[in-house]
Formats: sequence, C-alpha cells, structure tokens
Amino acid sequence: AQSVTQLGSHVSVSEGALVLLRCNYSSSVPPYLFWYVQYPNQGLQLLLKYTSAATLVKGINGFEAEFKKSETSFHLTKPSAHMSDAAEYFCAVTKQGAQKLVFGQGTRLTINP
Amino acid sequence: GAVVSQHPSRVICKSGTSVKIECRSLDFQATTMFWYRQFPKKSLMLMATSNEGSKATYEQGVEKDKFLINHASLTLSTLTVTSAHPEDSSFYICSAPWRAGGHYNEQFFGPGTRLTVL
Repeated sequence: AQSVTQLGSHVSVSEGALVLLRCNYSSSVPPYLFWYVQYPNQGLQLLLKYTSAATLVKGINGFEAEFKKSETSFHLTKPSAHMSDAAEYFCAVTKQGAQKLVFGQGTRLTINP
Repeated sequence: GAVVSQHPSRVICKSGTSVKIECRSLDFQATTMFWYRQFPKKSLMLMATSNEGSKATYEQGVEKDKFLINHASLTLSTLTVTSAHPEDSSFYICSAPWRAGGHYNEQFFGPGTRLTVL
C-alpha cells in the first residue's frame, strides 16, 4: 500500500522568503510523486512530478522538489515566496502503470506581506 | 495539455432531490475517470473509479446506491447524488488520466462542483 504524509497543515512565510513544504511517502514499489496546487473553489493543477528520472524536479511558478529515496521524502521548495503562491498544496503518490493517486492531507500556504 | 470540464460549477438543491454532475474530457478520450469528494479544508477523498462501458468501482465506505456513476462514453462520466441531504454538501472533483508521453498517466482535474443541500 502507498501513503503520503504532509508535515504541517498550515505554513506561513513572508513574501520573498523561502517556501518549504514537506512530504514523506511510503511505498513498497518505486513511487511516482506529484505536487498539486489548489486555489479556492478550483480543481487541482499539477506543479511538478517525479517519475524515476532526475531526482531534482523543476516545476511551474518557480517551484522545485527533490526525491530522496533514503529519506522517503519529496519536499517542495521555492526560493522566494510571492503573494500569488498562497493556496493549498497537495502531495500525491502512485506507481508505474497505476492510475489512482493517493493524496496527502494538504498544506495551506499563507504569504505575509 | 488535456482539459477536463465539470458542470455545473455550483448547485444548490433541496433535501431529498437528486443532483447530476457531469465530467467531460474535452480533447482526449478517457476510459477511466475518478470522482473525489473534498470537505472544507480537507484533502481529496477518492469516492469511485468510473469505467467506460462497465460498472464503477467504489471505495470502501462509499454508498453506491447513493452516488450513482455512469460512464456512457469515452468523454463523459456523470455522478448523481440521489436523495441528497445536507451531509452530502461538499466539493466534488473529477479527474481523468491521460498518457502524455512516457510510461505514466498524468491526472487532469476538473474545476470542481460545489454542492449545497438545504
């Protein structure tokens, strides 16, 4: 079985500061990992994905994430937060050939001016 | 990229009525679609997998007679909430996988439907 744990249901940072959203996974097979962003009353938009290629993955809007097998982690970072980054972020896991996604609990990111 | 639409985006209904929500893949065919439910400030809970031309597969604890799913074509899946009650009020999101390239299916999500049952 696969699972995802996002540490911190709410993260608050100042505009211009580093953003770090934590995600740890559990999987008995090599995982595929995703980060999604959700703005209020909207669906999910893919930020970036890891599918067993490069362990450092760059996504949209300046976000990136690093797959660390030894730590079973896939933390999301952005060097400098922007007010428009305020949203809900979800980490998700699946496996090769599968279609179902297993989501973490989500982390609400707040940006302080 | 692939686009998934949902209709309606928002619906308010009286208790006891049924509500149908449509999920369409606009520029690709989807033999499988997924339906999620999201409570306020909570994560997405997978309700069921919609399979074109066959019965849907429901997750444990989801009432199949309450949440009827029909996947009649390769671009349309519908979720009908039957005899809706206030506790069914939620945000419902669908997704469809599309093999963009390579060896994995990327999920494309609809914009969601906000259901309020009075």
